[in-house]
Order: sequence, then C-alpha cells, then structure tokens
Amino acid sequence: DIQMTQSPSSLSASVGDRVTITCRASQSISSYLNWYQQKPGKAPKLLIYAASSLQSGVPSRFSGSGSGTDFTLTISSLQPEDFATYYCQQSYSAITFGPGTKVDIK
Amino acid sequence: EVQLVESGGGLIQPGGSLRLSCAASGFTVSSNYMSWVRQAPGKGLEWVSVIYSGGSTYYADSVKGRFTISRDNSKNTLYLQMNSLRAEDTAVYYCARDLGGYNAFDIWGQGTMVTVSS
Repeated sequence: DIQMTQSPSSLSASVGDRVTITCRASQSISSYLNWYQQKPGKAPKLLIYAASSLQSGVPSRFSGSGSGTDFTLTISSLQPEDFATYYCQQSYSAITFGPGTKVDIK
Repeated sequence: EVQLVESGGGLIQPGGSLRLSCAASGFTVSSNYMSWVRQAPGKGLEWVSVIYSGGSTYYADSVKGRFTISRDNSKNTLYLQMNSLRAEDTAVYYCARDLGGYNAFDIWGQGTMVTVSS
C-alpha cells in the first residue's frame, strides 16, 4: 500500500501569509495527487487535481506542484476563509489520503 | 443543481447491518465513478469503496467482504450495504462523485453518521 505523509501536521499563520504544505508518497505516484480543503462539520472540497490542475471555481491563490513522490500545496495569500484542514490524496494505486494539515490563525 | 444527499446512518450494535443511501441530482450516477469515503470522529479521511460506470467495484481492505457498494439506476441512487459492523466502522460516511482519470472527488454529500456501539 502507498502511504502518504504531510508536513507540517499543523501551522499557525496570519491573513496575507504565503502558506506551503508538503505531501510525500511512499513510492512514485506520477501526478496522481489531489488536494482537498475541509472545514469543521463540512464535507471536503476539491481544490487541486492531477497535482497541479485547479478545480473549477477555486480561487487562483491556491496552486499545486510536484510529481513522483513530493508534492506541495501553496496558498499565495492566506484569506480568512482558508483556515481549515487540508488533505492530499493519491490515486495511483487504490486510494489513500494523507493525515491532514490544520491551518489556524496565528 | 448537482448534489448528493446521504441517508440511512444511525446507531447500530456490533455485528449488525445498515444500508446507506446516496441520492444524486443534476447528474447520472451510472455514468460516473462513485465512491464512499468515511471519517472517524476527530480523524482523517479513509476511502471505502468505488463503483465504476461499467459496474466494477473495489473495496478498502478494512471493509472487504463486509461492505457492498451498488446503485439503482432507476432511482439515480448509490448504496452501501454494511454487514458485520465493528466499533471501528464508526464514522461519518460520505458519498462522492469521481472526476474520473485522476480519481478526484469533485462532488460530496453532506455525510451521514454511523455509530457502532452496544
């Protein structure tokens, strides 16, 4: 099974900050990597698919990059509505999610 | 409007059975890959099962042999039959539409809570 890790597990940031979250796969997954945002009590929301493709309707301050085993999600200028937990998900072999990164207010 | 609405969750004793439903509107379930994803209280996301448009089904090892995914095309509804339930199956269960290709879930239901406890 492919294991996913994320770092950091949590971070504190201020509105306007640039935020980067890293996701690493235990083996190469090409570009089969997706990113989600989840707020408390709500379903996850797709942000990025295929490592770097922005889902329709998602603000352009969100971007994704990487291939193989190392991936990043970047929020260029953090907004109040971006405080949430972020998950990566691989779909190269079966489907597994990372443990999540919680972004809260500094 | 494209949406998914789950139902069928509740409190069930260990060893019991439950069937979850996921009613779709705005798109056709049978033309899409559809999955169930669960989230235990305070924990992360865990993929459970998928049904492809062609009818093939796949399961996570943790539920294989106990859960069955299916759909009713006439009702445009996805199901998850859960048997031999265990305490560790306690979670919010979400149905989700798969974009296809990269198995990214673009439409999610609101979730239904399943609690397995005596």
